[in-house]
Amino acid sequence: QVQLVESGGGVVQPGRSLRLSCAASGFTFSSYGMHWVRQAPGKGLEWVAVIWYDGSNKYYADSVKGRFTISRDNSKNTLYLQMNSLRAEDTAVYYCARDGLPAAIAAGGFFDYWGQGTLVTVSS
Amino acid sequence: DIQMTQSPSSLSASVGDRVTITCQASQDISNYLNWYQQKPGKAPKLLIYDASNLETGVPSRFSGSGSGTDFTFTISSLQPEDIATYYCQQYDNLPTFGGGTKVEIK
Repeated sequence: QVQLVESGGGVVQPGRSLRLSCAASGFTFSSYGMHWVRQAPGKGLEWVAVIWYDGSNKYYADSVKGRFTISRDNSKNTLYLQMNSLRAEDTAVYYCARDGLPAAIAAGGFFDYWGQGTLVTVSS
Repeated sequence: DIQMTQSPSSLSASVGDRVTITCQASQDISNYLNWYQQKPGKAPKLLIYDASNLETGVPSRFSGSGSGTDFTFTISSLQPEDIATYYCQQYDNLPTFGGGTKVEIK
C-alpha cells in the first residue's frame, strides 16, 4: 500500500534552516510528481511546491520562492524540502503528497495520497 | 494566482440532510477542480477530482459538479462520519485551495 512518511520537523529560530524528508513506499516513486502542502495552526491548506517525477521541473508558491527548495532522490524513494531563512509565518504542519497522475508534466494536479505531516515551529 | 472562494465557511445540518458547498474561481479553470475532506488531526483525503470524478473507495453520497468558474460539492445524505472540513483546490495553474467549509451535525 502507498505510504508517505515525513520527518525533520521541529522548533527552529527565525532566519535558520531546516530540511524535511518524505520517505515513499508502496508505489514506483520515480513515476510520480510530488508536492509539499502546509497548514498553519488552525488555518487552511496552502500548496508549497511541486517537483516532476524525473526532477526536471520545480514550481513554488510565491510565499516560499527563493527560500525553499524541493528536491528528490529517486534511488532512495525520498522527497525533500530545504527551508532557508525561516520566518514565523512558516510555522505549519508540512505534508508531502503524491500527484494523482503518473508522469504528469504540469505545475499542479490532484493529491491522491498524503503523509501524516510533520510540524515546523519557527520561534525564538 | 487564481483565487478560490468557498462558501459557506461553516454549516450545521442534521443526519440525513443534503449538504451543498460551493467554490468559485477567480478565472476559468475548466474542470481542474478537486475536493478534499479533512478530519481533525488528520491529513486531507481526496474525494472528488476533475470536478466530478469520485475517487476510488469514496462513498457515492459524495458528488461534485461544475466547470469554468462555478463548482458545487454535495453530500446527498449527511452521515455522522462526514463531520470534517472540506476544501476545494484548483490546478489550472499553480494549485490553490479554497478557505474550507467546516461541517457540523445539528
